[in-house]
Amino acid sequence: IQLTQSPSLLSASVGDRVTLSCKGSQNINNYLAWYQQKLGEAPKLLIYKTNSLQTGIPSRFSGSGSGTDYTLTISSLHSEDLATYYCYQYNNGWTFGGGTKLELK
Amino acid sequence: EVQLVESGEGLVQPGSSMKLSCVASGFTFSNYGMNWIRQAPKKGLEWIALIYYDSSSKYYADSVKGRFTISRDNSKNTLYLEMNSLRSEDTAMYYCAKGGYGGYLDYWGQGVMVTVSS
Repeated sequence: IQLTQSPSLLSASVGDRVTLSCKGSQNINNYLAWYQQKLGEAPKLLIYKTNSLQTGIPSRFSGSGSGTDYTLTISSLHSEDLATYYCYQYNNGWTFGGGTKLELK
Repeated sequence: EVQLVESGEGLVQPGSSMKLSCVASGFTFSNYGMNWIRQAPKKGLEWIALIYYDSSSKYYADSVKGRFTISRDNSKNTLYLEMNSLRSEDTAMYYCAKGGYGGYLDYWGQGVMVTVSS
């Protein structure tokens, strides 16, 4: 399964509601996770099984979707959220999307 | 606290071999699948290998199949990645990651850099 993330680069301001998209080439059956990677750091799990928030992750992060289309939403952008975000499917094999880099406008 | 600590970082020549290790703590290592993921410089993430909790099954990305071998020693809480016939395109940061229930990756190590160059 191939994953396509859009946009590849997103400019936003602190306080904005931000939506990142991930589209699979086949049905992912909700087996989709989201990771945040800050510069020079290892990725960190934010969301698993489409909409389950990992322990310790702020509630401003949420996930949704079904079938082939999935979304990560940050309800109110904080400066510390600037990072690259990757989706990851584990329904059929294991595949990452190409990433969305989130920068300050 | 879950901790994963990789080691084995280095610079090697094309065609050579290298072995990475990942020591786990803070959870019952023998109960979970473990993965290796890599990231080439300034590129995205690539899943490369998975080993079941009991080593009964192993899976590889096409890019490394036949050259890399994932293994584990549950008595030592350690995951391994043996890499043979290394190519310049294998140059990357290599991360080990614990498998969560269902197959996602819930905890990651800090990564080790492997550089393949003459």
